[in-house]
Amino acid sequence: AQSVTQPDIHITVSEGASLELRCNYSYGATPYLFWYVQSPGQGLQLLLKYFSGDTLVQGIKGFEAEFKRSQSSFNLRKPSVHWSDAAEYFCAVGAPGFKAAGNKLTFGGGTRVLVKP
Amino acid sequence: GAGVSQSPSNKVTEKGKDVELRCDPISGHTALYWYRQSLGQGLEFLIYFQGNSAPDKSGLPSDRFSAERTGGSVSTLTIQRTQQEDSAVYLCASSLGRGAFTDTQYFGPGTRLTVL
Repeated sequence: AQSVTQPDIHITVSEGASLELRCNYSYGATPYLFWYVQSPGQGLQLLLKYFSGDTLVQGIKGFEAEFKRSQSSFNLRKPSVHWSDAAEYFCAVGAPGFKAAGNKLTFGGGTRVLVKP
Repeated sequence: GAGVSQSPSNKVTEKGKDVELRCDPISGHTALYWYRQSLGQGLEFLIYFQGNSAPDKSGLPSDRFSAERTGGSVSTLTIQRTQQEDSAVYLCASSLGRGAFTDTQYFGPGTRLTVL
C-alpha cells in the first residue's frame, strides 16, 4: 500500500521569504501526486498535480513542485510567500492501476505554515 | 457553478445516537468520495462511488458506518451508535469520473462532527 510522509509538522516563514514543503511517498511504481491547501475553515483546494511528463509542475497561487523519482519526493515550493499563504498543506498520492478503485487519495499528515509579517 | 456542498456544517450529538451527513457533488460529476479528517488519524479515505457501480467501501472503519448515493448524485454518510472517536471533520469530494486515474477531486467544506 502507498504511504505519504510530510516530515515537517509546522513551518514558520517570513513574508516575502521562500518556502519549501517536503513530501516523500512510498509506492511500487510512479504514483499520481497532488498538493492540496486547506485554509482555516475551508475545504481542500488543489494546488497542483503530477501524472507524467515534465517533472516540474506549476500550480496556482505561484506554487510549483518537483517530482524526483530517485528520492521518491514531490516537494512544494514558492519563491516569495504572502501572508495569505498561511494554511495547512497536504501532499497526497493516488495509485493508478486499480480501475475499480477510482483514485483513492492517501494523504500525508500535513504541514502547517505560519507566515510572520 | 456551485462547488461541492455539505450539510450540516457542524453537528453535535450524544454518544450512541445515529447521524446522517449529506453531500451534494458538483453537477455532472459521477465520482464521489468521502474522507475523514481527525486529529489522531489525519485525512483518511472512507468510501468511493462511481456511477452505478458497487461502491468501494474499503476505508470504512466499522460496520457502524454506511453510505449511499441516490440517483447518482446526492450522497448520505450514516454513522450509527456514534462513539467519541467518531468526532472528526467529514469531507466529501467529487470528480468527473471520466477516467479514474486523472480526475481531479474537488472537496466540499466538510461537516464537523462532535460526539459528546
